[in-house]
Amino acid sequence: EVRLVESGGGLIQPGGSLRLSCAASGFTFSNYEMNWVRQAPGKGLEWISNVSISGISTYYGESVKGRFTISRDNAKNSLYLQMNSLRVEDTAVYYCATGRSCINGLCHDDNYFTHWGQGTLVIVSS
Amino acid sequence: DIQMTQSPSTLSANVGDKVTLTCRASQSIRSWLAWYQQKPGKAPHLLIYKASNLESGVPSRFSGSGSGTEFTLTIASLQPDDFATYYCQQYNTYPWTFGQGTKVEVK
Repeated sequence: EVRLVESGGGLIQPGGSLRLSCAASGFTFSNYEMNWVRQAPGKGLEWISNVSISGISTYYGESVKGRFTISRDNAKNSLYLQMNSLRVEDTAVYYCATGRSCINGLCHDDNYFTHWGQGTLVIVSS
Repeated sequence: DIQMTQSPSTLSANVGDKVTLTCRASQSIRSWLAWYQQKPGKAPHLLIYKASNLESGVPSRFSGSGSGTEFTLTIASLQPDDFATYYCQQYNTYPWTFGQGTKVEVK
């Protein structure tokens, strides 16, 4: 069974930093691109970041570019999101989600999100 | 960025009804569209990928269609478990973007 478990959320003051983690199990983590998606309270979904299977290539939404850094440790089956210069508008539930699978360097085109964690809540407030 | 617009924002329906949700993209996304269902306090759940492909384990009453800029999600006969919010997502171009959601509620 695929399992994604996020952790690291909490209450943080504006301008502060937080590091989220996502522990993966039940699948070959190193074969999947990974993503972070967030949802502000009562709002819709916002994709914020993607990392390639090697961790070399990363992509960000404009709202977090330059402040957030996505990374992964395939040996630990873990995904991370380092969040700096946090703003009130970053308050949200943060989900990790699997992306496309890649085998022997060849990746499928389908960049949808098959598996999701339960989310971790980040509240940015003074 | 590609804007995804869903309509209606809220849909009131009865169990057994056939319901159709619409998603429009601001430019062509070919067939690179997914649909998700989300219930309160839960993570989204993938229903449809590549516009019309049913994810494994998803009931066959769900179907998707469309290409280019116009897409639909149809629930053939609404069941009590289907009252939820539905989101479309394009993955043709970074940044991947979601629609604002359609809430399907009890009439």
